[in-house]
Order: sequence, then C-alpha cells, then structure tokens
Amino acid sequence: EAAVTQSPRNKVAVTGGKVTLSCNQTNNHNNMYWYRQDTGHGLRLIHYSYGAGSTEKGDIPDGYKASRPSQENFSLILELATPSQTSVYFCASGEAGTGKDEQYFGPGTRLTVL
Amino acid sequence: GDSVTQKQGQVTLSEDDFLFINCTYSTTTYPTLLWYVQYLGQGPQLLLKVTTANNKGISRGFEATYDKGTTSFHLQKASVQESDSAVYFCALVANNYAQGLTFGLGTRVSVFP
Repeated sequence: EAAVTQSPRNKVAVTGGKVTLSCNQTNNHNNMYWYRQDTGHGLRLIHYSYGAGSTEKGDIPDGYKASRPSQENFSLILELATPSQTSVYFCASGEAGTGKDEQYFGPGTRLTVL
Repeated sequence: GDSVTQKQGQVTLSEDDFLFINCTYSTTTYPTLLWYVQYLGQGPQLLLKVTTANNKGISRGFEATYDKGTTSFHLQKASVQESDSAVYFCALVANNYAQGLTFGLGTRVSVFP
C-alpha cells in the first residue's frame, strides 16, 4: 500500500560512476521532489517536477540531473558520482498549490560513493 | 527567501515528560507550517499542519500552535512515551508552492522508560 517507493534502498558506487535512483508514486500527485538528508544540514531540495516531462532545479542541483518520464516516476541521476554525494536521498510527492501543501515521502535510498 | 530555524538539536526525556519544540520562521506571505516525524530508518511522515486560518493542529496526542506575533510555531505533547523517540522537523511551505518545503534541521527526541 506504500504510496511512494524508492529503489534501490541501498547503493554503493565508485567515484566517477553513474548512479540512477528511482522513485515511483501511486498518489497521482503532479509534483515530485528529490531531497538529500545529511547531518547538520537537514533535508535539502535537489530537483523537483511539476509533472511528466518537467524538471526544475532546487536549492542544490549541481552534480545531479533529474528525469520525469511519467506521472508516476521520477529519477535522480548522478552522471559522475563523487564521495561528497554520499548521503540518504528521499523522494516525495505532493499536490502543492491546491491547499494540500504537504508532501509524502518514500523510505529513502542510502548512497555511499567510494 | 523563506527560512526556518530549529535550534534544539537534541532533547532527552523520560516517559510522561512534557515535550516542547520550537521553530521560528521568516517568509513574506501567510505561512502554512508543517511538522514531520522521522522514525529510525524511515522517511519523514507528516504529523501536523497549521495554517493562519486554524492556528492550531492536533494529532496523535501532539499539538502544534502558531504565533504570528513572534513568527514562531511550536510542537508539544503533554506526556511522551518511548515510542515517540524520533526526529521531528518543522517545515514551511514555499511561496512558490511547487518548489517544495523549507525544513528546519530537526530535533532528535529520545525518550527513556
């Protein structure tokens, strides 16, 4: 019944490698988001999307790309992974602007870049 | 731009103690303020929502209030249980709604029996 799912849940990558994190939502929400969570920084917005085909830069987009091929799916892509991108990544969906401003988060992906 | 300050990094309590967490915010519009709870190994879950219309929210024994005069909002619970151990985040809805939420740094609450 989980409405936002993420895969993989854990990932170990090598520096310079390509990493793709996937997110799927069954809430039928237009908006989707990628955050990273680091101690001392809280949750920071990387990219977001208004709907299929759209991606927008968040507060810390450098080193990341995003793809929204459908209403349900939103991917985060690290073309050349670096150790500084070691973090826990959360995907979320929401209906922002409709009065229902809350977002619903997935369980997270723990990424380690060696 | 919008900002949220959550200064309490860690709170340690015993069961049945009173919990109080405070956040201050800065925004140019009437805010919608959210409280999220994150249990170990999970994603954040929405706990409460407070708007300028209702000024207060209540859920699962938690109460959230909002004070426009001091641009602050609070989360409180009269009697915590060990199961309330988690990280609590305050969050501000962005002026551009679709841009996501502005989160505080979180308060780790540890409740001991």
